[in-house]
Amino acid sequence: GENVEQHPSTLSVQEGDSAVIKCTYSDSASNYFPWYKQELGKRPQLIIDIRSNVGEKKDQRIAVTLNKTAKHFSLHITETQPEDSAVYFCAAIRETSGSRLTFGEGTQLTVNP
Amino acid sequence: SAVISQKPSRDICQRGTSLTIQCQVDSQVTMMFWYRQQPGQSLTLIATANQGSEATYESGFVIDKFPISRPNLTFSTLTVSNMSPEDSSIYLCSAATGVYGYTFGSGTRLTVV
Repeated sequence: GENVEQHPSTLSVQEGDSAVIKCTYSDSASNYFPWYKQELGKRPQLIIDIRSNVGEKKDQRIAVTLNKTAKHFSLHITETQPEDSAVYFCAAIRETSGSRLTFGEGTQLTVNP
Repeated sequence: SAVISQKPSRDICQRGTSLTIQCQVDSQVTMMFWYRQQPGQSLTLIATANQGSEATYESGFVIDKFPISRPNLTFSTLTVSNMSPEDSSIYLCSAATGVYGYTFGSGTRLTVV
């Protein structure tokens, strides 16, 4: 089955700096890669996703890049703000019937004012 | 995307008892998923529930302990049976709500005493 590794487990940045979180996956057939943000006591919320037919996707301060050859994808947050502080999870899935997401272990991002 | 209502939001239960968690989706979905999340950790999939068929359980989870119902395309329940303190955790339901989209319920914080 799929295995997703996520690094770093914790990340502390100063407000305004950039933050990068990296994930690697094992199943070369995986073709959808979402990123979730989970604030303390809240449900995971999808913040951005990318499919295997593109290499990069941007949404305002957030971007995701995908390298299919190396089987890794990254989340980039620019101009970080204190409200970006949360746990971020990457995930991967292969589109087949009965498929389900495999999550990384999560990254605790702290943005210091 | 769809909205998932999950209840109860939290409960404190005596060991040996059972708790049933409910999830209601505001649209029809084929696949629903049940996760467990320990504080500070990633999401662990318990089982996948498709309407009209038995749930598929992940390694380490069994039907006798975590029976699941999926009576229609908008509703599912997870029962945590014969609870022990080790079952204390956050339980989350999720649904595949569109092309690759996965939405989460708000979670149930369970404490077993």
